[in-house]
Amino acid sequence: GENVEQHPSTLSVQEGDSAVIKCTYSDSASNYFPWYKQELGKRPQLIIDIRSNVGEKKDQRIAVTLNKTAKHFSLHITETQPEDSAVYFCAASRSGGSNYKLTFGKGTLLTVNP
Amino acid sequence: DAMVIQNPRYQVTQFGKPVTLSCSQTLNHNVMYWYQQKSSQAPKLLFHYYDKDFNNEADTPDNFQSRRPNTSFCFLDIRSPGLGDAAMYLCATSRAVLGGGRTGELFFGEGSRLTVL
Repeated sequence: GENVEQHPSTLSVQEGDSAVIKCTYSDSASNYFPWYKQELGKRPQLIIDIRSNVGEKKDQRIAVTLNKTAKHFSLHITETQPEDSAVYFCAASRSGGSNYKLTFGKGTLLTVNP
Repeated sequence: DAMVIQNPRYQVTQFGKPVTLSCSQTLNHNVMYWYQQKSSQAPKLLFHYYDKDFNNEADTPDNFQSRRPNTSFCFLDIRSPGLGDAAMYLCATSRAVLGGGRTGELFFGEGSRLTVL
């Protein structure tokens, strides 16, 4: 099955700095890579996703890059704000057939210091 | 306008006493999932339904069962909770088309936090 490794497990940055979280996956057939943000005590929520037919996707201050050859993808947050503080999970899955399940990384606790 | 609703939000049970957690959705999504999330860990998939087709993860203990009586509702039954089953249980939904090839966004409920005494 799929295995997703995520680094770092914790990340502390100053407000305004950039944050980068990296993930690798094992299943070369995986083609969908979402990122979820989970604030303390709340549900995970999708913040951005990328499919294997593109290499980069941006949405305001957040961006995701994908390197299919190396089987890794990264989340970039620019101009961080205190409200970006949360646990971020990467995930991977392959679509088609009846395989609709995501495999999550272990998460990164991001702390943005004012 | 909650779209995935879980009940109860907090459940306290005794060791070995059966528990049922419920999930309802207003999204009309055909796929429903149950994840277990322990403190400071990633969500771990227990099982999922594609319509009425049940898909169990190989490492999900037999102690965990699920029912999906209709599109909108899904239940997680823990037959004999142990101390190690204390966790947040997250229900999620997505829309997928068999053979359509595209995995959709997962919408999570707020979770049910289970405490086992």
